[in-house]
Amino acid sequence: QSALTQPASVSGSPGQSITISCTGTSSDVGGYNYVSWYQQHPGKAPKLMIYDVSNRPSGVSNRFSGSKSGNTASLTISGLQAEDEAHYYCNSYTTSTTWVFGGGTKLTVL
Amino acid sequence: EVQLLEAGGGLVHPGGSLRLSCAASGFTFTSYGMSWVRQAPGKGLEWVSTISGGGYTYYADSVKGRFTFSRDNSKTTLYLQMDSLGAEDTAVYFCAKAFGNSYGYWDYWGLGTLVTVSS
Repeated sequence: QSALTQPASVSGSPGQSITISCTGTSSDVGGYNYVSWYQQHPGKAPKLMIYDVSNRPSGVSNRFSGSKSGNTASLTISGLQAEDEAHYYCNSYTTSTTWVFGGGTKLTVL
Repeated sequence: EVQLLEAGGGLVHPGGSLRLSCAASGFTFTSYGMSWVRQAPGKGLEWVSTISGGGYTYYADSVKGRFTFSRDNSKTTLYLQMDSLGAEDTAVYFCAKAFGNSYGYWDYWGLGTLVTVSS
């Protein structure tokens, strides 16, 4: 159950788009379309942003989108806003009937 | 309104035990899987355990054999019995409700309870 690999940090200016990658293996990200993404602001509980690789729960802005290619999933945020500054975590189901998170990515809005 | 309220955290010595609880309300408790996710200070999220509506459990390798996840449907409360605690178990423990029919997506989270393992 090794953590999925995410970049430690990404940054972008308001209005720009950024993409956060999440790399796993064929036993997790690559093997199932059960990838999700969470947003966490400091001192707060995580918030589900994307599930099933690319679906958004009701109420989540369509500026957030997800995709997957092989063993790597991606979260793209378009039209960056100051309120998007947070940590983002990917998560995947694994062959061991367990779930694994990525190490997290800090998004800075310049 | 969905509410999840964790309790039971605190300071415990290495090798000790602690039982966390999570009181749930605002949804049909028996219809949803529930999970514990923890976050060490300044670190990322780590999935700990999941329990189905019927009580079937799943554990991370890091806690398997030491932690026991249970649910009391009559009290709409979850319990996480943690034994043989070590410093690596120091974290905020969140309980979380499954999103829809899945076990691995979580749409509501509690505020968390801090567990500190230290001598």
